[in-house]
Amino acid sequence: DTEVTQTPKHLVMGMTNKKSLKCEQHMGHRAMYWYKQKAKKPPELMFVYSYEKLSINESVPSRFSPECPNSSLLNLHLHALQPEDSALYLCASSQDQSRVYGYTFGSGTRLTVV
Amino acid sequence: GDSVTQMEGPVTLSEEAFLTINCTYTATGYPSLFWYVQYPGEGLQLLLKATKADDKGSNKGFEATYRKETTSFHLEKGSVQVSDSAVYFCALKGDTGKLIFGQGTTLQVKP
Repeated sequence: DTEVTQTPKHLVMGMTNKKSLKCEQHMGHRAMYWYKQKAKKPPELMFVYSYEKLSINESVPSRFSPECPNSSLLNLHLHALQPEDSALYLCASSQDQSRVYGYTFGSGTRLTVV
Repeated sequence: GDSVTQMEGPVTLSEEAFLTINCTYTATGYPSLFWYVQYPGEGLQLLLKATKADDKGSNKGFEATYRKETTSFHLEKGSVQVSDSAVYFCALKGDTGKLIFGQGTTLQVKP
């Protein structure tokens, strides 16, 4: 299995809703990442988990809450989002955080906040 | 801090034309360099990588050579196809473990 699987593929939520994005990989990778990508822009790093512990938070607002229940799963909990949070949310994984390993990306969740 | 600069797009080519997308970087230490491709509506796919100076990464007819002296990692392909139309991102990964992207270059190949 060489994939990162993200669910759902599309999500529409209101500003008062609570929802979660899910990411799963079975490649034995020990680093997992959340990125946010706006149209025609490069992905922006949000969070990094290394060996199931949060190692980097790029000053992301608290309405985004990551969770890593085990080495294969990564969740992103969403609460009280704003319309400007609408974007493609990408999950990625790598063997670990060392520089020689690239990332494997999922196909993303396209989020629309109404 | 570390950064990546890519040539501005869009790049429009005819099928079978030669492709070059320029990428230069600024980094402390010795980063690894990557090219990713993103097709419409999809996530990013790793196209090729190089982890040290003078390494050449190659995949699906695409090539890029890690040039430390010019801090460059230009992407080339000898003969592009319509199916190569996509957005191409140059990226580096240094000691922070973060993958840092350039702005992306849109390639459109016309039949």
